Amino acid sequence: EAQLVESGGGLVKPGGSLRLSCVASGFTFSDAWMTWVRLPPGKGLEWVARIRSKDVGGTLEYAAPVEGRFTISRDDSRKIVYLQMSNLQIEDTAMYYCTAHAYWGPGTLVTVSS
Amino acid sequence: DVVLTQSPLSLPVTLGQPASISCKSSQSLVHSDGNTYFYWFHQRPGQSPRRLIYRVSNRDSGVPDRFSGSGSGTDFTLKISRVEAEDVGVYYCMQGTHWPPWTFGQGTKVEIK
Repeated sequence: EAQLVESGGGLVKPGGSLRLSCVASGFTFSDAWMTWVRLPPGKGLEWVARIRSKDVGGTLEYAAPVEGRFTISRDDSRKIVYLQMSNLQIEDTAMYYCTAHAYWGPGTLVTVSS
Repeated sequence: DVVLTQSPLSLPVTLGQPASISCKSSQSLVHSDGNTYFYWFHQRPGQSPRRLIYRVSNRDSGVPDRFSGSGSGTDFTLKISRVEAEDVGVYYCMQGTHWPPWTFGQGTKVEIK
């Protein structure tokens, strides 16, 4: 059974940094295009970033609000996808989900507050 | 970016009755490869989203057959033939034809009357 488990969320001050991790199992991780999606409080789902599989170049793509501040990466040997977040803003507060499209993790909560 | 507009945004439903959610796209979601990369997700309170429907009308594994997706081009619909208590939550449409970015609809909150 496919499974994704996120970690690394927490409370951080504006301007701070966090690194989220997502460990995958139960499917061929190296073939998967991995995505981070977030759910801000009281709002709808927002796409954050995606990394394609290495066999198609491992291209990185970012939503406009996070471009230049967030970096997505992957370690296929460990079946982990990361989201390095820097210069965090209040509006980055959200539950962050890792997804391989059909599979979603339970999420990790990021709270940006002074 | 493609804009997806869902309606209604709130849907009170009676157990056992049908329900329908519409999602309209600001541009055609037919990809140059002929496929339409349009999806429906369901998020129960306190849970992560679950994909219900992929490429307009294909049910994901384990999704009850009371759920069906239809549509083409810019207009899509999710139907629940007979609503059950476990169907409450927020339903989102999503497109992956014109990316980046993926875009989601605003969400439709389904609750039991």
